[in-house]
Amino acid sequence: ETGVTQTPRHLVMGMTNKKSLKCEQHLGHNAMYWYKQSAKKPLELMFVYNFKEQTENNSVPSRFSPECPNSSHLFLHLHTLQPEDSALYLCASSQERGGPDTQYFGPGTRLTVL
Amino acid sequence: GQNIDQPTEMTATEGAIVQINCTYQTSGFNGLFWYQQHAGEAPTFLSYNVLDGLEEKGRFSSFLSRSKGYSYLLLKELQMKDSASYLCAVRDSNYQLIWGAGTKLIIKP
Repeated sequence: ETGVTQTPRHLVMGMTNKKSLKCEQHLGHNAMYWYKQSAKKPLELMFVYNFKEQTENNSVPSRFSPECPNSSHLFLHLHTLQPEDSALYLCASSQERGGPDTQYFGPGTRLTVL
Repeated sequence: GQNIDQPTEMTATEGAIVQINCTYQTSGFNGLFWYQQHAGEAPTFLSYNVLDGLEEKGRFSSFLSRSKGYSYLLLKELQMKDSASYLCAVRDSNYQLIWGAGTKLIIKP
């Protein structure tokens, strides 16, 4: 247990569906991250929130929409996804973005887009 | 561009020693991390190096040479549970983590 939980663990959706991924951290951290992990590729940073404010959006398509209502919760809203979006989506948290700190990861949501 | 290189896959024998190398080219350097990721699980933090030299933590050690842009993770007395992917990541001058693709380590009895 890393103190970061994600739900659901597995998700299968059609290209016309709308779904949301949820992340919750119990570590008292102020920064939260969404990553995409595809097979044999480096982790791709998607979004960063620091003190509930979005500080980075790494050219992510608009079919991915993040939401951070407070420092403990992070959502990723999905709509009209493509099959190439199938991947493991990881949430992470750290004490503060830009600090010399370590990121702690959740177990991820395995997403399959049909 | 920024780049992290590590071998795709390595195989080692239970009880032996294995060294996983990582070379990097980044815009600035503010530390290097090693993470372990078992299949279907979260990456978990193993080690952090910011100064040159060796950091030892039980059976695992991590080495850094900033002048060479090089690090390695050394795993001793390998156990079957060490079968996992090992991710190298470098924090650049903007404190952004640049990740390698990971090294899948297979331990054989």
